[in-house]
Amino acid sequence: DAGVTQSPTHLIKTRGQHVTLRCSPISGHKSVSWYQQVLGQGPQFIFQYYEKEERGRGNFPDRFSARQFPNYSSELNVNALLLGDSALYLCASSQGWGNQPQHFGDGTRLSIL
Amino acid sequence: GDSVTQMEGPVTLSEEAFLTINCTYTATGYPSLFWYVQYPGEGLQLLLKATKADDKGSNKGFEATYRKETTSFHLEKGSVQVSDSAVYFCALSEGNTDKLIFGTGTRLQVFP
Repeated sequence: DAGVTQSPTHLIKTRGQHVTLRCSPISGHKSVSWYQQVLGQGPQFIFQYYEKEERGRGNFPDRFSARQFPNYSSELNVNALLLGDSALYLCASSQGWGNQPQHFGDGTRLSIL
Repeated sequence: GDSVTQMEGPVTLSEEAFLTINCTYTATGYPSLFWYVQYPGEGLQLLLKATKADDKGSNKGFEATYRKETTSFHLEKGSVQVSDSAVYFCALSEGNTDKLIFGTGTRLQVFP
C-alpha cells in the first residue's frame, strides 16, 4: 500500500506570494495533520482535520489555512509568504481521531527567496 | 504548556557501541510518548511508543521505558550500526488528541 504522499517535493517562492501544498493520506485513513519543521528543529503542529472538520490548530498566524476534501486528501495554504516560512512541511495521516499513530510523508521543502 | 526536552547532539559513536539518548517531558495529564526517526531527505518514521507509565516500547533493537516518576523516556540500543545514523525525535501526545509535541531532535552519527 502507498504511504502518505505529498506534492510537490520542493518549491521555491518569493516573499508575498502564496503557496498550496497537497497531501494524500494512506488509504483508509480519515485524519490528516500538518506540521512545519524549520531546519534544525522539531516539527511544530499546524492543523489537524478529521472527517473534513478542523480538530486542532497550532499557534500559527491566519496566513495559514487548510482544508480536507471528501476523499480525505488535504491542502495547506499559506498566504503572504515570509522568509521565516522556509521549512519542511510534513503531512501525517491516521485512521481515526484521538491518540492514533501518525504516519508521516516525506514532506514538501519550501524555500522563500 | 506541554513540552519535550532532548539531549543535544550530535551523538557520535563507533559501530557496536551502546546508545542512550535522553528525553524528559512536561505534561499536565497522562501523555503517550513516542520516538520518531528521520533519515536524510525523508519524513518521520515511528520507531516506538508507550502509552502508560512503566510501559516499554521496543523496535529494531531500540527500547524506551515510560518513567512517570522521573518524567523520562530515554532511548537505548545495545549495539548501534552505521545504518542507525539519523536524527531521533522524542514526542508526546496528550490525552485524547493526535497533536504531537516534539523535542528538537538528536543527531546520531555512527562510524565503522
